[in-house]
Amino acid sequence: GAVVSQHPSWVICKSGTSVKIECRSLDFQATTMFWYRQFPKQSLMLMATSNEGSKATYEQGVEKDKFLINHASLTLSTLTVTSAHPEDSSFYICSATGTPYYEQYFGPGTRLTVT
Amino acid sequence: AQSVTQLDSQVPVFEEAPVELRCNYSSSVSVYLFWYVQYPNQGLQLLLKYLSGSTLVKGINGFEAEFNKSQTSFHLRKPSVHISDTAEYFCAVSGYGAAGNKLTFGGGTRVLVKP
Repeated sequence: GAVVSQHPSWVICKSGTSVKIECRSLDFQATTMFWYRQFPKQSLMLMATSNEGSKATYEQGVEKDKFLINHASLTLSTLTVTSAHPEDSSFYICSATGTPYYEQYFGPGTRLTVT
Repeated sequence: AQSVTQLDSQVPVFEEAPVELRCNYSSSVSVYLFWYVQYPNQGLQLLLKYLSGSTLVKGINGFEAEFNKSQTSFHLRKPSVHISDTAEYFCAVSGYGAAGNKLTFGGGTRVLVKP
């Protein structure tokens, strides 16, 4: 149980375009979802926290208008990278919590490359 | 606020030898503690967690960790490693009832198992 999927697993886009990444909880209802960014050989950096039906809470330094997060249902959250630039290239990982609230289940990640 | 320090960025170890990965944390509140493993280009998999009770926690794949409150440590051990244990390992903490139960990660320890 407690499976989280991400789609796509990898994506290449051109500079200036937008790309959407989906995060789904497959077998549980996710009250809270998290989005992380990971640079090569580095740890995970929390970008934002989202609760179903509410606006996402962004961490300091994360551009809200660039990284749009929507948590429209208890099983789906999306991250849209708007007007992507090469420096946005990274590994994006989502996680979700349900019950119990303290354990996060992680998706497999999405590798974004902006050319 | 919490912080996590993983004292070793890389740990080379021979196959069938024991390994210990060190993790220290700081927090002004009681915490939950986690160890995750990440294989290349994948998401995070939970190895084990400490919530309360016995300070020795056993996880998957033969790993165990010991919570030491006085030393604010949560070191991970395995008595005999396999080649397949080559991966990145992350220690993480979250505070009791922390807003959004956010995780704070350490910098990671890369384990390289040599034949």
